[in-house]
Amino acid sequence: DIQMTQSPSSVSASVGDRVTITCRASQGISNWLAWYQQKPGKAPKLLIYAASSLQTGVPSRFSGSGSGTDFTLTISSLQPEDFATYYCQQAYSFPYSFGQGTELENK
Amino acid sequence: EVQLVESGGGLVQPGGSLRLSCAASGFTFSSYAMSWVRQAPGEGLEWVSTIIHSGGSTYHADSVKGRFTISRDNSKDTLYLQMNSLRAEDTAVYYCARLTHHSYGYGDYWGQGTLVTVSS
Repeated sequence: DIQMTQSPSSVSASVGDRVTITCRASQGISNWLAWYQQKPGKAPKLLIYAASSLQTGVPSRFSGSGSGTDFTLTISSLQPEDFATYYCQQAYSFPYSFGQGTELENK
Repeated sequence: EVQLVESGGGLVQPGGSLRLSCAASGFTFSSYAMSWVRQAPGEGLEWVSTIIHSGGSTYHADSVKGRFTISRDNSKDTLYLQMNSLRAEDTAVYYCARLTHHSYGYGDYWGQGTLVTVSS
């Protein structure tokens, strides 16, 4: 089974900051990776799929990169509505798996 | 508009059973794989099960294999999760999600979730 490890587990940042979150797969997954945003009490929202493709309707300040085992999610200029928890997920093989999440907090 | 509405959650005793449903609308249900994902209180997301568009193949996490069964009725546009031999650690909000392809993919639409509590 493929394990997904995110870092950091939490990050404090301010509006306007550039934020980067990392996700590492325990084995190569090509570009079969998604990033989700989740706010308290809400369902996850797909932000990025296929490692770097922006889901329709997602602001362009979100971007993803990587291939193989190492991936990043970058928010270029943090907005107030971006404070949330972010998860990566591999869709390379079953069982699918998520990272443990990164909580993005307001500094 | 794509909509996914889960139902069937509630309080159940350890060892009991529950069947969750996810009613889909706004898209051709039979063309997409579907998944169940759960989230224990205060914890992260855990993938539970996936079923391909036709229902011909299913996949389950090791943590639920042999106890949970995912199924679908394409004539009713409904996804199911039959949960047997429930344990305290199955307590979670259960989400259904549409995947981006017919047999695999990413969750592009999600329901609002239904809470399952396993407790005596």
